[in-house]
Amino acid sequence: QKEVEQNSGPLSVPEGAIASLNCTYSDRGSQSFFWYRQYSGKSPELIMFIYSNGDKEDGRFTAQLNKASQYVSLLIRDSQPSDSATYLCAVGQVRGSQGNLIFGKGTKLSVKP
Amino acid sequence: KAGVTQTPRYLIKTRGQQVTLSCSPISGHRSVSWYQQTPGQGLQFLFEYFSETQRNKGNFPGRFSGRQFSNSRSEMNVSTLELGDSALYLCASSLDGGSYVGYTFGSGTRLTVV
Repeated sequence: QKEVEQNSGPLSVPEGAIASLNCTYSDRGSQSFFWYRQYSGKSPELIMFIYSNGDKEDGRFTAQLNKASQYVSLLIRDSQPSDSATYLCAVGQVRGSQGNLIFGKGTKLSVKP
Repeated sequence: KAGVTQTPRYLIKTRGQQVTLSCSPISGHRSVSWYQQTPGQGLQFLFEYFSETQRNKGNFPGRFSGRQFSNSRSEMNVSTLELGDSALYLCASSLDGGSYVGYTFGSGTRLTVV
């Protein structure tokens, strides 16, 4: 059973702080890793994806991947109240271009003004 | 560029009935995946259709089925509804599979079974 684990939270950080969200996965064959943000009552939207070990930065967001430890993280710098949402980690097995994503249950982030 | 369109947005059905949900993917996207989201289980994969063929399937009973048309629009059907089928059903659109660059989700259909 391939699994993706996330701390359900809630994770509470003050405005302007760094929020750190973590995710572990069980399948060593996983090759693609995604972070989605889901506001209450809305559908998930893609924030970032990462394939290779190391860091990938996009604005205030940084995704980090460590395949040896089977660990993915998302850092949000200068957190804003508008970042308050549930963050979903998703993992894919790239076989050519096929394969579905397996999602964690999400971490709820609350950014306090 | 139009997004992913799911209809209807909300549904209330009675146990034992059946329901059909519809999804129109982003123009040019040939892969449509369906997910069920519940508070307890999170997002669970139902199945994926690509070029009118089911390419991947999750661990759901046979009451859950789907199909895809030549224009890439997809429908999913749930027969003999159970209370536990109450959930948000999300359609995910991608060029040819979510593993490369992820999905774009529709707004979802909220199904309530009473």
